[in-house]
Amino acid sequence: RKEVEQDPGPFNVPEGATVAFNCTYSNSASQSFFWYRQDCRKEPKLLMSVYSSGNEDGRFTAQLNRASQYISLLIRDSKLSDSATYLCVVKEGAQKLVFGQGTRLTINP
Amino acid sequence: EAGVAQSPRYKIIEKRQSVAFWCNPISGHATLYWYQQILGQGPKLLIQFQNNGVVDDSQLPKDRFSAERLKGVDSTLKIQPAKLEDSAVYLCASSSRGTTYNEQFFGPGTRLTVL
Repeated sequence: RKEVEQDPGPFNVPEGATVAFNCTYSNSASQSFFWYRQDCRKEPKLLMSVYSSGNEDGRFTAQLNRASQYISLLIRDSKLSDSATYLCVVKEGAQKLVFGQGTRLTINP
Repeated sequence: EAGVAQSPRYKIIEKRQSVAFWCNPISGHATLYWYQQILGQGPKLLIQFQNNGVVDDSQLPKDRFSAERLKGVDSTLKIQPAKLEDSAVYLCASSSRGTTYNEQFFGPGTRLTVL
């Protein structure tokens, strides 16, 4: 079983739609979780952290379910500029990041 | 603030040849990472340095890959000899305990093609 599993997609949605991605992780001792964004042929960049209580940053909402070892990302009112690959990331230990395969999203006009 | 610098940006070699990549982290960042990202996959950690010491190299194929960070700043990653399956983007990242979440900042990567 992979340490971090994501549906690779691709997801193709119209502009303005709401889209959600899910991710599961295998290490129940993991404490920190993130979503990174990676544009085509670019480096990954931190999108947001994921807190147990859930957190929101503008149109983006991240949620964590520790019991099910499940992380989600919701994008509301999607924009063309949201087209990218979204990487689910779990921190193990002090600083080691374990990345999922990534979910590819394309927003269509 | 300057970001993580990497060179070269692209490299094409034949199998069994050697190649080296260079990384300069963000100034003041004590922790440096090398990742391998194969097409269609997420980045995989190869090696992590804290200053000039190795913290984690459990996923580094040590029979052909080596890395060093002699003065705790710049780092080089070497592959010798290269195999076809080494074709990937090699990403360098750095972090500091002083940043929020110990966020890792990535460089633009070196795209390696092994023919």
